Order: sequence, then C-alpha cells, then structure tokens
Amino acid sequence: KAGVTQTPRYLIKTRGQQVTLSCSPISGHRSVSWYQQTPGQGLQFLFEYFSETQRNKGNFPGRFSGRQFSNSRSEMNVSTLELGDSALYLCASSLGWSSLNYEQYFGPGTRLTVT
Amino acid sequence: KNQVEQSPQSLIILEGKNCTLQCNYTVSPFSNLRWYKQDTGRGPVSLTIMTFSENTKSNGRYTATLDADTKQSSLHITASQLSDSASYICVVSASGNAGNMLTFGGGTRLMVKP
Repeated sequence: KAGVTQTPRYLIKTRGQQVTLSCSPISGHRSVSWYQQTPGQGLQFLFEYFSETQRNKGNFPGRFSGRQFSNSRSEMNVSTLELGDSALYLCASSLGWSSLNYEQYFGPGTRLTVT
Repeated sequence: KNQVEQSPQSLIILEGKNCTLQCNYTVSPFSNLRWYKQDTGRGPVSLTIMTFSENTKSNGRYTATLDADTKQSSLHITASQLSDSASYICVVSASGNAGNMLTFGGGTRLMVKP
C-alpha cells in the first residue's frame, strides 16, 4: 500500500506570495493532519481534517488555511508569505476519525523556503 | 499547560553501544504516548505507541517504557547501528475533544559513530 505522498517536495517562494501544498493520504485513511516543523520550534500542529471537515486547529494566523476533498486528499494554503514561514510542512494520515487515538503515518514533507 | 520535555537534546554514541532517551510530560488527561524516529529531511516514523495500561513495548531493538504515575517515558536502543542516527520525538496525546491535544517534545538528536 502506498504511503502518504506530498507535493511538491521542495518549493521556493518570495515574501508576499501565496503557496498551496498537497497531501494524498494512505488509501482508506480519512483523517489528515498538517504540521509545521522548524529547527527552533520543532513540530507544531496546524490543523486536522476528517471527512472534509476541520476538526481541530492549532495556534497559527489566518494566513494558514486548509481543506479536504471527498477523496480525503488535502491541501493547505499559506497566503502573504513571510520569511518565518520557511519550514518543513508535514502531512500525516490516520485510519480513524482522530489522530489522538489512531496511529499517524507521516509523509516526506514539503520543504518551503521563503526569500 | 501541557508540556513534553525530552532529554538529552543531543547524544553521540559509538556503534554497538546502548542508549536511553528520556521523555517527561505534564499532559493531562493522558491518552497515549508515542515515540517517533525522524531521519534528516524525512517525515517521522512511528516506533511505538503506548496507552495508560502498557508499561513496556518493544519494536526490534527499540524498547519504550512508560511510568504513568511519574509521567515519564524512556526509549532504550540496544546495540546501536549507524542507521539509528536520527531525531527521536516523544508525543503525548490527551483524551478529550477540546481542541487538538497532541503535544510534541523537542526531540533528541542521536548520532551513532563508527
């Protein structure tokens, strides 16, 4: 069974631009979570989706948004990019309705660099 | 405030040696504790997940312990290999639906040298 896939793997954007990252969960998984990972802050939770509904949201500004489609694929969007948004963005999928109680499987991440 | 503290922050050991990584948490109410291994530039991979009733769980050369009374967990790596060089992240899940309750530790960066 294929793992979690994320596209693109690497991205370079300039300040003020917007970006959309994509995540395809493991087949059959309906829960998708997004995380930001930086050397200084470690892994930080962005949001979680289940059946096209956002179940939880972390403490990030409104510039960060996401959505989930009926096939469980998910996208996250960051508008008005800032230098501090440079990070590895990780997507994880779970079989059950919540990442809290079900094992998560992470994708390889998208490395975003903002210049 | 829910917190997960890991120690040491970094560790260097020789190939073949054993090591133990620590994780202390103040997350409440506790649901489960997970250890992940993350190679540089890759996504984390789950090693173990333990619930309140489990105090030991093994995955090959990795053995995790959990003391729910003292809110401590450890990850013991036996007969280390060069491929064990990675960051190890402790994650604690809290029960309840009041927002996301996954709390991540800062990780321990392990380097295994030949």
